[in-house]
Amino acid sequence: DAKTTQPNSMESNEEEPVHLPCNHSTISGTDYIHWYRQLPSQGPEYVIHGLTSNVNNRMASLAIAEDRKSSTLILHRATLRDAAVYYCILRDGKTSYDKVIFGPGTSLSVIP
Amino acid sequence: EPEVTQTPSHQVTQMGQEVILRCVPISNHLYFYWYRQILGQKVEFLVSFYNNEISEKSEIFDDQFSVERPDGSNFTLKIRSTKLEDSAMYFCASSRTRTGNTEAFFGQGTRLTVV
Repeated sequence: DAKTTQPNSMESNEEEPVHLPCNHSTISGTDYIHWYRQLPSQGPEYVIHGLTSNVNNRMASLAIAEDRKSSTLILHRATLRDAAVYYCILRDGKTSYDKVIFGPGTSLSVIP
Repeated sequence: EPEVTQTPSHQVTQMGQEVILRCVPISNHLYFYWYRQILGQKVEFLVSFYNNEISEKSEIFDDQFSVERPDGSNFTLKIRSTKLEDSAMYFCASSRTRTGNTEAFFGQGTRLTVV
């Protein structure tokens, strides 16, 4: 499995944008970059994914570096409900890859 | 919005007893998974299931564990003889395909406490 590196923890003020970084220097050409989050006492929740181009959805934006060796999850306006562990995960786009593998992720604290 | 449903939300069982955790995946999904998370630790993959058979399992998924899709909607995880160290949150997940271009949807989990 290709590896990702994330900071252990980050803090943000409420209502400010948050940029969560992820390094994946060994990413292969067929790996999709996925982000999941886990709110306290809840199951993991899909946030967003992309391959090469930046992606936007109702939850967040994903900015992917041109060389694809890093990416950033952007929460445009942090709320208290966004306090969670955020996981950056690579998933192979070829049909043989079968599961989501979680690392330790980044624990995001949101300060009121 | 469709969701993965798990029951019960909390199960307390005595060591050595059998326990069955139940999941209802999203209806048009074909790939099913179980994960566990010991308190304070990361989410760990246990097993994946497709076409009524296990497609992959981790080292954690030993002979004490089994999975089954007994009908068209349920997906179960059975632990035959529970140990204290089986105490954890167990999450079921499903996805429409298994390629990297597809997201997985997770349930809210069952908290298993073995006493």
